[in-house]
Amino acid sequence: AQSVSQHNHHVILSEAASLELGCNYSYGGTVNLFWYVQYPGQHLQLLLKYFSGDPLVKGIKGFEAEFIKSKFSFNLRKPSVQWSDTAEYFCAVKGGSSNTGKLIFGQGTTLQVKP
Amino acid sequence: KAGVTQTPRYLIKTRGQQVTLSCSPISGHRSVSWYQQTPGQGLQFLFEYFSETQRNKGNFPGRFSGRQFSNSRSEMNVSTLELGDSALYLCASRRPGGTGELFFGEGSRLTVL
Repeated sequence: AQSVSQHNHHVILSEAASLELGCNYSYGGTVNLFWYVQYPGQHLQLLLKYFSGDPLVKGIKGFEAEFIKSKFSFNLRKPSVQWSDTAEYFCAVKGGSSNTGKLIFGQGTTLQVKP
Repeated sequence: KAGVTQTPRYLIKTRGQQVTLSCSPISGHRSVSWYQQTPGQGLQFLFEYFSETQRNKGNFPGRFSGRQFSNSRSEMNVSTLELGDSALYLCASRRPGGTGELFFGEGSRLTVL
């Protein structure tokens, strides 16, 4: 069965620190990968996505993620976090060949950035 | 362009009652998916509708049902509510022929007492 594992449940950083959130997935075929963010009181928003091509993808607000197929990983990074990055982050996977709205989400990582 | 709209935003029910939640997708989006979000289980897929037909279903009991109308608006219904149904119910829409990116609404927060 497909699954997504996010390594950290709660991360606390100071402003300007670098961020890396781990995500590993279990799926046998081609995948589409996503990172979503949920700011306090707001709806889930797409940060970035990977479908094919360059495994290093850039998203909004300075975030990027690297798809490493051999490690089944799609880690999220940001060189310097801001207080406004405080939010919950979700990694998600979808079978690449399936035309579906069914995403498998990880449990989420709560990021708290201290000013 | 208006986003995904969900109503009601908050509601409180008691065990045994039933509830209907509504979702209006982004204009032009014909696919609507529903998710349940809880602190313990995270985000779990309930079902997806496209052109008024259920295309996909998650692992939830039959008490959870949905439908989609010709204007792509969707409703989900939960009958015989249980305490464990307390959750944030999220609706998401996507473009026809799109690459899978979902656009989420703000959710309907259901509390079952």
